[in-house]
Amino acid sequence: QSVLTQPPSVSGAPGQRVTISCTGSSSNIGAGYDVHWYQQVPGTAPKLLIFGNSNRPSGVPDRFSGSKSGTSASLAITGLRAEDEADYYCQSYDSSLSGWGVFGGGTKLTVL
Amino acid sequence: EVLLLESGGGLVQPGGSLRLSCAASGFAFNNYAMGWVRQAPGKGLEWVSAIIGSGDSTYYADSVKGRFTISRDNSKKTLYLQMNSLRAEDTAVYYCAKFPNRDGYNSNFDYWGQGTLVTVSS
Repeated sequence: QSVLTQPPSVSGAPGQRVTISCTGSSSNIGAGYDVHWYQQVPGTAPKLLIFGNSNRPSGVPDRFSGSKSGTSASLAITGLRAEDEADYYCQSYDSSLSGWGVFGGGTKLTVL
Repeated sequence: EVLLLESGGGLVQPGGSLRLSCAASGFAFNNYAMGWVRQAPGKGLEWVSAIIGSGDSTYYADSVKGRFTISRDNSKKTLYLQMNSLRAEDTAVYYCAKFPNRDGYNSNFDYWGQGTLVTVSS
């Protein structure tokens, strides 16, 4: 069980908008720690998609956006494209863990 | 261009040891915290360990604490993960990843290596 909870899967048709949630607690997201998002195409390394809750690295399309409220965060993808089909992971920090960092369990996005 | 190249993975018996290396290039290695993230076959990402730029502070997930040791040689621009008392559940692809700052606290990973597979089996 991951400390950060994500839905196992989401899906949408090309052109549609989908959101992926990341639910934490008062010791991680709710404590004010930032949330970051990664995209991973199977067989490849993860790629940074959103950092600091809502910031996009250069080169990431503005179809991707992030937000955070309370103990949860969300990743939204608009204008869905076939190449968006991948696994998505949220990441934050947790004050109750000795290790410091934590990932969500991941969400598989299927473009119908 | 930032490049991270992991090596040292392979097949090891339960209870055995292995040392992973990550050769870095394209940035001032000593100025950035680094970390290891693993992914078991068909599973999600798991944060394993991190070390600040100077090497003075290290952090470990509870699942590896006391068995794994992270270290760095800033003169060689290389990150290491010494893995002892390996278990079947340590089987995973191990990724080396870079933080965008010196201490990594509350931060994301901005660059990742391609990973090296560690298989623990008899």
